[in-house]
Amino acid sequence: QKEVEQDPGPLSVPEGAIVSLNCTYSNSAFQYFMWYRQYSRKGPELLMYTYSSGNKEDGRFTAQVDKSSKYISLFIRDSQPSDSATYLCAMSYNTDKLIFGTGTRLQVFP
Amino acid sequence: GAVVSQHPSWVICKSGTSVKIECRSLDFQATTMFWYRQFPKQSLMLMATSNEGSKATYEQGVEKDKFLINHASLTLSTLTVTSAHPEDSSFYICSAMPASGSTDTQYFGPGTRLTVL
Repeated sequence: QKEVEQDPGPLSVPEGAIVSLNCTYSNSAFQYFMWYRQYSRKGPELLMYTYSSGNKEDGRFTAQVDKSSKYISLFIRDSQPSDSATYLCAMSYNTDKLIFGTGTRLQVFP
Repeated sequence: GAVVSQHPSWVICKSGTSVKIECRSLDFQATTMFWYRQFPKQSLMLMATSNEGSKATYEQGVEKDKFLINHASLTLSTLTVTSAHPEDSSFYICSAMPASGSTDTQYFGPGTRLTVL
């Protein structure tokens, strides 16, 4: 079983839709949870960072962490074609090592 | 913002040759740099962690004699793929952590696509 599971998609939605991206994990020791956006043939870009459980909002993006269920989510409101990319979840213990999910490819069509 | 560059952005080489990839932090000093490998439609897999002035720490299953990492300065780390073979073809990405940073402040480079013929 992988430490981090993420549906690879692709997820195709119309412009303006609310997008929900999710990851599950198996190790309860994870404390730090991140979402990265990666455009084709580019390096990942940090979108959201959350420590432990709870919600965090930044503009159109909301990250949620439910440690009891070992489940994290990223919501994108009013999705735009420019949001089309691969979204990677990543997690960490109390060290610097990041464990990534496989990424979900999102396509937002006009 | 913090910028990390990689050079080259893509490289094609013949089987058996060695290839060097550079990772530079352009506007900050990075005591720690990380090297990842990403196969198509797969996740980023950490290969090794390098700290300036010391030997790199390799993840399980990564051959340290094949993937040579040097972190000679606070702004430069290099990955050399020795005696490359077609199965080494992949997208190699580095990240750099500022001297005062933590897990959430890893800045990623744009990646280097290696194709071994």
